[in-house]
Amino acid sequence: LAKTTQPISMDSYEGQEVNITCSHNNIATNDYITWYQQFPSQGPRFIIQGYKTKVTNEVASLFIPADRKSSTLSLPRVSLSDTAVYYCLVGVLSGSARQLTFGSGTQLTVLP
Amino acid sequence: GAGVSQSPSNKVTEKGKDVELRCDPISGHTALYWYRQSLGQGLEFLIYFQGNSAPDKSGLPSDRFSAERTGGSVSTLTIQRTQQEDSAVYLCASSPRTSGRAPDTQYFGPGTRLTVL
Repeated sequence: LAKTTQPISMDSYEGQEVNITCSHNNIATNDYITWYQQFPSQGPRFIIQGYKTKVTNEVASLFIPADRKSSTLSLPRVSLSDTAVYYCLVGVLSGSARQLTFGSGTQLTVLP
Repeated sequence: GAGVSQSPSNKVTEKGKDVELRCDPISGHTALYWYRQSLGQGLEFLIYFQGNSAPDKSGLPSDRFSAERTGGSVSTLTIQRTQQEDSAVYLCASSPRTSGRAPDTQYFGPGTRLTVL
């Protein structure tokens, strides 16, 4: 299974753009990259998913370089409510199995 | 519609006792996952169900852990002879079955906080 590495924590200020990078050096050809957000005492919530290049939705962008050995979650203009733990997940639908590995998570703290 | 629900929300038990944790997935979701999250740690995959069968049990930490799913809906995670190291938040997620290779979006429940004294 692909192992992922993320920074333990990051601080930012309201209104800034935040970029969180996840390393996954042994990502497999069929693996996708997914990011989840988790608030205290809640289950994680899906943010964005991609396979290569760039994906954008209403809350975030995901940048994946050509070698796919890392990915960067970009949160534009963060607010205090974006303070949470962000998890990088690498995996694939493989037949009947789900090979999914969560990273250790990055605690993002947004300061006023 | 209703999200994933889990019960109980909190469970305190004594070492050596058995516990059952319940997960009610979103109606119509065929895939169901169990994870464990220890204090301040990331998510540890335990088991995955597709319908009532569990093609991936690779994450179950020991034979004290078992899980079943009936009717393609409710799932129960059972921990026998609990140990203090079993203390954690147990999270359940469900997802709809989709075609293609991308992992399905998982919808998580609020978790069950298990404390083994």
